[in-house]
Amino acid sequence: GENVEQHPSTLSVQEGDSAVIKCTYSDSASNYFPWYKQELGKRPQLIIDIRSNVGEKKDQRIAVTLNKTAKHFSLHITETQPEDSAVYFCAANLDTGNQFYFGTGTSLTVIP
Amino acid sequence: EPEVTQTPSHQVTQMGQEVILRCVPISNHLYFYWYRQILGQKVEFLVSFYNNEISEKSEIFDDQFSVERPDGSNFTLKIRSTKLEDSAMYFCASSGDRTGAKNIQYFGAGTRLSVL
Repeated sequence: GENVEQHPSTLSVQEGDSAVIKCTYSDSASNYFPWYKQELGKRPQLIIDIRSNVGEKKDQRIAVTLNKTAKHFSLHITETQPEDSAVYFCAANLDTGNQFYFGTGTSLTVIP
Repeated sequence: EPEVTQTPSHQVTQMGQEVILRCVPISNHLYFYWYRQILGQKVEFLVSFYNNEISEKSEIFDDQFSVERPDGSNFTLKIRSTKLEDSAMYFCASSGDRTGAKNIQYFGAGTRLSVL
């Protein structure tokens, strides 16, 4: 089955700096890659996603890049703010299946 | 914005007892899921449900687990005889209305199950 690895497990950045979180996946048939943000005590919220026919997607300060050949995808947050502090999860999904395979999460702390 | 709601937020039970975790998916969604997250570990898929039947399940989802959609709004996960290792956060999710977007899963806030 699919295996998703996520790095780093913790990340601290100064406010205004950029943060990058990386995930790798094993199944080349995976074709949908969402990113979820989970603030303490709250539900995971979808913040951005990318499909395998796209190499990069951007939404304001958040971008995701996908390298299908290398089977990795990354979340980029620019101009970080304290409210970006949360746990971020990547996931991979096959269109033919229902389940998401999640990474282990990255705890991001933005230091004011 | 519509949300997936889960009750209770925290459930404490004795080992061997049955528990039912409840979820109300987003009303026009067609696909429903349960995931669990043991403290400090990754979120793991348990089961997906579509058209009133299980469409996919993981090896974690053994005979102790069952799901049901008893009416038009609720989606429940039952654990028949809880074990200590069932202690985890259980997330419900839903996706896919009739226009598509099956991939985009919306999660509830979770139920923390503590088995003593």
